[in-house]
Amino acid sequence: GAGVSQTPSNKVTEKGKYVELRCDPISGHTALYWYRQSLGQGPEFLIYFQGTGAADDSGLPNDRFFAVRPEGSVSTLKIQRTERGDSAMYLCASSKGGGLAGVGMTGELFFGEGSRLTVL
Amino acid sequence: GNSVTQMEGPVTLSEEAFLTINCTYTATGYPSLFWYVQYPGEGLQLLLKATKADDKGSNKGFEATYRKETTSFHLEKGSVQVSDSAVYFCALSEWNQGGKLIFGQGTELSVKP
Repeated sequence: GAGVSQTPSNKVTEKGKYVELRCDPISGHTALYWYRQSLGQGPEFLIYFQGTGAADDSGLPNDRFFAVRPEGSVSTLKIQRTERGDSAMYLCASSKGGGLAGVGMTGELFFGEGSRLTVL
Repeated sequence: GNSVTQMEGPVTLSEEAFLTINCTYTATGYPSLFWYVQYPGEGLQLLLKATKADDKGSNKGFEATYRKETTSFHLEKGSVQVSDSAVYFCALSEWNQGGKLIFGQGTELSVKP
C-alpha cells in the first residue's frame, strides 16, 4: 500500500482538549497539503508544505491550529483547545512537487481517506 | 479571490442516462481545472484535468472542456452506470500556488438501476 496514510481514522474528543492528526505521504512526494471538509462541503485548504517548510499557511483558521513536517515526510496537524466547530473530516494529500520549483504543477494531488474529528 | 461554483445536488439519474454537472470558476490568473471524485468510503481521486483553454480532459467515459470565454468546466458522461454513484468536485489550481487546489462544494450523483 503506497498511498497516503492518515491516522487516526476517527477521533472523538472533548471540548478544550488537544488533538494531533498524522499524515504519512506517498514516498518521494515533496509537497504535502492539509484540507478540512465539513459535511456537504468541498475541502477547504489549510496549509501546504514543500519539504520541511510551510510554503502557504493562509488557510489555517486561527492560532489554535498548527502543523509540522520536521523531516520532510510525515506531517502532524495539531489543534489546541478544540472547539465543537472544529468537528470535520481532515484530509491530507501529497504530490511530487510544488511551490516555485513546481510552477506549472499538474495539480494531481493524492488524498488519504481522512481523519474524522468529532469534538463533543 | 479564486473560487469554484458547482450545481447543487443531489443528482439522481437512471442507468444509461446522460449526465451534466455544471462548474464555473473565478480566477485572477490562468488556472488549471480539475474534476475529482469521491466514491463512498474512499479518498478523493483525480478524475480528469485540463490545463489550458479549449483542452478537453477525459477519463472513464467522462469529459470536460476548459471554456475560458464562459469560465466553465462542465462534466459530462453519455451513459452513466450505477458504479458512477459518488460525489464529484470541481477544482482549480493557479500556476504559481504550488499545486494548491480550490474546490467547489461538490455534487452528489446517485445512479439507480
